[in-house]
Amino acid sequence: SYVLTQPPSVSVAPEKTARITCGANNIGTKSVHWYQQKPGQAPVVVISFDTDRPSGIPERFSGSNSGNVATLTINRVEAADEADYYCQVWVSGGDQVVFGGGTKLTVL
Amino acid sequence: QVQLQESGPGLMKPSQTLSLTCTVSGGSFSSGSYFWTWIRQPAGKGLEWIGRIYASGSTNYNPSLKSRVTISVDKSKNQFSLKVISVTAADTAVYYCARSAGHPNPVDYWGRGNLVTVSS
Repeated sequence: SYVLTQPPSVSVAPEKTARITCGANNIGTKSVHWYQQKPGQAPVVVISFDTDRPSGIPERFSGSNSGNVATLTINRVEAADEADYYCQVWVSGGDQVVFGGGTKLTVL
Repeated sequence: QVQLQESGPGLMKPSQTLSLTCTVSGGSFSSGSYFWTWIRQPAGKGLEWIGRIYASGSTNYNPSLKSRVTISVDKSKNQFSLKVISVTAADTAVYYCARSAGHPNPVDYWGRGNLVTVSS
């Protein structure tokens, strides 16, 4: 099975840059989507297809994907960005959707 | 605007069969271009993809749950459903229904979630 590995937690001070990684074998060959989930709410897509930012998502959010690591970058972090973040890919071989374990972003 | 709403039990006993229904509004259900998906999340834990159904009725399931899960669709009611047999405490979770515009697209619409607790 295809496993996506995320750090359980990332802490960052306001106005600094947060980077959340998603590691897997040759993940650079797949399309990675990133979701933000706040307590009690359903997840929301913040980055799709590695780098695309859906309408309404601040420009502070960006993504990259190469080799064995995909990265979600949040510039000028705000208190409102505190949430859980999940990466997700589709594995064509088994026609499966796979989520990473999630990363809790804490704004100090 | 597409809206999804889960309905089903909140409390169940071990060994029972869990049945959840998702009602879709907003006009996209019959278009045939979407995957209708179930995802669950135990309290304090991550997201787990359960499976999906295409409008044609073709399905695909998470291998870890495949032996206990069935997803079906009722286009006449704009609904799709999830059944999980022989539930245990490990099946306690918030269950989300959701939509994606086919693979490899992301899940773009989610229901609000239905908490299911399995306890004796």
